[in-house]
Amino acid sequence: SQTIHQWPATLVQPVGSPLSLECTVEGTSNPNLYWYRQAAGRGLQLLFYSVGIGQISSEVPQNLSASRPQDRQFILSSKKLLLSDSGFYLCAWGQAAEAFFGQGTRLTVV
Amino acid sequence: DQQVKQNSPSLSVQEGRISILNCDYTNSMFDYFLWYKKYPAEGPTFLISISSIKDKNEDGRFTVFLNKSAKHLSLHIVPSQPGDSAVYFCAALSNSGYALNFGKGTSLLVTP
Repeated sequence: SQTIHQWPATLVQPVGSPLSLECTVEGTSNPNLYWYRQAAGRGLQLLFYSVGIGQISSEVPQNLSASRPQDRQFILSSKKLLLSDSGFYLCAWGQAAEAFFGQGTRLTVV
Repeated sequence: DQQVKQNSPSLSVQEGRISILNCDYTNSMFDYFLWYKKYPAEGPTFLISISSIKDKNEDGRFTVFLNKSAKHLSLHIVPSQPGDSAVYFCAALSNSGYALNFGKGTSLLVTP
């Protein structure tokens, strides 16, 4: 069966510090991978999606970037965090119409 | 722009009664719709879906209705249980799309 791992679960980072959130998927190959952010009043906002290694599409301009160095690994990064980057970040994978989510990371930028 | 809209941020229902969560969409290219349930500090989990070729899909206590002409879908939970208390997200996908479009969610509270 497929599983998705996302870490860390919570993170408190100072403004201006770098960020790296990692997501890995097991039990499937060549999945579509996604990063979403849930912010207050905004619902689930798609940040990035990837259909293959090294292929990243960005949905919204922002202070974040994503990379897919391996088939089942998806990384969300920032060089310098802003206060507005605080939120709940979710990694997901999908091969058809459905998406399966990780447990999420609560990021607080202070 | 928000292509999937859940206009009710919250809903409170008594245990045993029916919960009805509504969702509207604007993109006529959407042809697959899903409902996700989310507990605090957890990722959303898939609940039920419906293809645009159907107008109803039922799974146990959960039924999703789709009205294509009105671009409206709804999730019915009957009977509602306290464990159903969560945030429910409506999502939609077009056959050319890579990712789900989510609404802002509706927080359901089922009281004993």
